[in-house]
Order: sequence, then C-alpha cells, then structure tokens
Amino acid sequence: GAGVSQSPSNKVTEKGKDVELRCDPISGHTALYWYRQSLGQGLEFLIYFQGNSAPDKSGLPSDRFSAERTGGSVSTLTIQRTQQEDSAVYLCASSFLAGDTQYFGPGTRLTVL
Amino acid sequence: GNSVTQMEGPVTLSEEAFLTINCTYTATGYPSLFWYVQYPGEGLQLLLKATKADDKGSNKGFEATYRKETTSFHLEKGSVQVSDSAVYFCALRPGDGANSKLTFGKGITLSVRP
Repeated sequence: GAGVSQSPSNKVTEKGKDVELRCDPISGHTALYWYRQSLGQGLEFLIYFQGNSAPDKSGLPSDRFSAERTGGSVSTLTIQRTQQEDSAVYLCASSFLAGDTQYFGPGTRLTVL
Repeated sequence: GNSVTQMEGPVTLSEEAFLTINCTYTATGYPSLFWYVQYPGEGLQLLLKATKADDKGSNKGFEATYRKETTSFHLEKGSVQVSDSAVYFCALRPGDGANSKLTFGKGITLSVRP
C-alpha cells in the first residue's frame, strides 16, 4: 500500500475487556514497530519486529500486552483486561530495514471507560 | 539509558517569525537524531534527520545541526508559516546498530498566527 495503515482508527472499550489493534506496514518493509502516545508519558516504544528474528519486547508495560506479526507483514497488538491507564493513541511504524527511516501510520485512539 | 529533552511548550508565534525549538539528548556512542512532525489530524512524519556529528538536516525550510559537544539538535526556521502549526518531536536512535527503536522527547505544540 501507499503507507502504513492501522485499524480501527478509534476504539472505545470497557475496563476489563480485551482489544486487538491491527497494523498493515508498507509492502516490503521488514521492520515493524509499535509505539504508544499518551498525555502523561509522551511517545513510548512498545515492541519491535525485524524479519524472522525474535521481537524486542522490552517496551511492553505489562504482561497484559502482546503482539504478533504473521507472515512477516500484518501485526496485531493485543491488550488483555484493559485498564483506564491503557487509554492512548497506539502508533505503528515500519521501515525497509532496521535502522532505516520509520514511517508511521495514523494511529488507533483507544479509550478505556 | 537514552533520553531526549525538549523545551516546554506550547509555543505561539506570528507568521514570518523566527523559530527555535530546543532539543538535547543523552545517549552512549553516536546516535542518529531526528525531528518528526505531527500535523493536526495526521500521523507522524519525518521532518529531517542527521546521522553523525556536525551533520545538518534540512527540509521545508527547517534546519537542525547535530552538535555532539553540546548533545543538542535544535530545530530552527527563519520564517514560520501558519501551515507549520503542528506538534514537533525530537527523537534519537542508538548508533550501536543493535536496536533501532526510537526514543522521543515529549513534543512541543507550535501555533502560528496569521
């Protein structure tokens, strides 16, 4: 595609529910990143996939957060038992290779009531 | 660990004013430095970058010079326009090649009045 796409653009959920956020990277990009943008914390790294290597999960804030990348393309970020502090904009980015310029999607705004 | 510090905002300027947004960083080795911009209702876009000391990144009239001696990467523009109103983020990527995740500053909102 022309750019990184994310869905849904907005998600409102109730505390305790699970949510799945989807990212479609730019075709051919081998590296994929998830970040979170919140009022209190700014932009934070969550997780990074590079090719078939084990992902770098060092930024995930708790074990309620997980992500997978199927077939080296689409990625899904899953948040289990959502909490109000999970409310944020979740951004996905991709790059051709690790270390190349990262291109960001429009984000998913998650609101946990 | 790595960190990026940006000046506090928001910043409001009149059209054609001079802009400086300060950014300093803490990192080991030789990181790459970036400015990203987020226009209202849009995603983050790379504005400019510099990958080694004394490099100057430039785009759309904006400039920033990688100063290792002061660990800074200040963003400047000689004459801002209303269309420059956006949120600006300074970021770094470690230079060790082992990881490519970005560390961002908190961002600063720029509003330009006609």
